Amino acid sequence: GAVVSQHPSWVICKSGTSVKIECRSLDFQATTMFWYRQFPKQSLMLMATSNEGSKATYEQGVEKDKFLINHASLTLSTLTVTSAHPEDSSFYICSASLLTGELFFGEGSRLTVL
Amino acid sequence: GDSVTQMEGPVTLSEEAFLTINCTYTATGYPSLFWYVQYPGEGLQLLLKATKADDKGSNKGFEATYRKETTSFHLEKGSVQVSDSAVYFCALRKNQGAQKLVFGQGTRLTINP
Repeated sequence: GAVVSQHPSWVICKSGTSVKIECRSLDFQATTMFWYRQFPKQSLMLMATSNEGSKATYEQGVEKDKFLINHASLTLSTLTVTSAHPEDSSFYICSASLLTGELFFGEGSRLTVL
Repeated sequence: GDSVTQMEGPVTLSEEAFLTINCTYTATGYPSLFWYVQYPGEGLQLLLKATKADDKGSNKGFEATYRKETTSFHLEKGSVQVSDSAVYFCALRKNQGAQKLVFGQGTRLTINP
């Protein structure tokens, strides 16, 4: 199947700094990518839908100025957590969609904000 | 809104035991239903799916039947193996419009030899 890779897989940062997480589709072009957030023992919550070359569509309650999403190419989407705080600590997962609608997920990125 | 509810974990079984992980959903219309599996250190992978009522999805010995009358999509396997240890997610997706998936909270399964 298609491969989606996230980087970094884990990151620790100080409060107030910004962190960028990359999501790449390695062997296919993804017109649409999705960013999820997962809290411990809880479901994956969709944060935003990212379409190549256009602004991301954020879910209700997700601060777009806090979680900046850029989808500059068909193989790369980035999520930047700006001015991170401890409550932003979480597991962030991306997925990429084929034209058929089939979804492939990255392995996730664990963010810890001190 | 749409939602998915899974049985709470963790679930611990012995090898060759029978497995059931319950999943029920709330949604308008006729969503497609999915089971995803997440092995340690890996991304979510599609395990099986069903797109309409009474469809049965199956893969790797796992099965789930789309039951509209009970709004359920329970995952079953007749004889589990240690390699089945993972986190399992039930999910739904509307068949029209966005490709957004709505996930259950996940069920951690551990199989002991």
